Amino acid sequence: DAGVTQSPTHLIKTRGQQVTLRCSPKSGHDTVSWYQQALGQGPQFIFQYYEEEERQRGNFPDRFSGHQFPNYSSELNVNALLLGDSALYLCASSLGDRVNQPQHFGDGTRLSIL
Amino acid sequence: DAKTTQPPSMDCAEGRAANLPCNHSTISGNEYVYWYRQIHSQGPQYIIHGLKNNETNEMASLIITEDRKSSTLILPHATLRDTAVYYCIVRLISSGSARQLTFGSGTQLTVLP
Repeated sequence: DAGVTQSPTHLIKTRGQQVTLRCSPKSGHDTVSWYQQALGQGPQFIFQYYEEEERQRGNFPDRFSGHQFPNYSSELNVNALLLGDSALYLCASSLGDRVNQPQHFGDGTRLSIL
Repeated sequence: DAKTTQPPSMDCAEGRAANLPCNHSTISGNEYVYWYRQIHSQGPQYIIHGLKNNETNEMASLIITEDRKSSTLILPHATLRDTAVYYCIVRLISSGSARQLTFGSGTQLTVLP
């Protein structure tokens, strides 16, 4: 039973560039959430996708956007990269709108901005 | 979501029970208590969650006080692989903001040989 997979594992970009991160949810899950984790801090919620639509968003600028595909996989796009975007980006999957169902996380993409 | 308070760090001897406390004094009746842990360089791992009653699974036990203002995560026989940051999270039952997990700073548990 494959868990949540993310690619790439590491990425180096320069300021002003754009980046796309990818996530495949755990088998049977249809909801994908994205989190940003700065060094030494807990993960911060970016947004969540369900039925190919963004249905909740955290306090992140419009430079952060996403997409969910019919197979439930998802992408996170970040435009006009800033030094402060350097972080671990985590994807979590879950089943539908059931609050009683836990979110399961991948091991993240480490993004470094030079 | 209600805020949680956890000690920043704890040590535990290998083979002993690790008891990790969490204070959530402003928790409301429609909020679950969730526990996750994050081992260095990995994503958070779900451990257990509960509403009112104590819960147990293959990883841990969750003890919630009767007034629900605090809880304790118990790892019955800690091993070196249990060294991690442990996060206590409260999460609304209803939809809307319940969809996200709000992480605090967590407790760094170090299991000592």
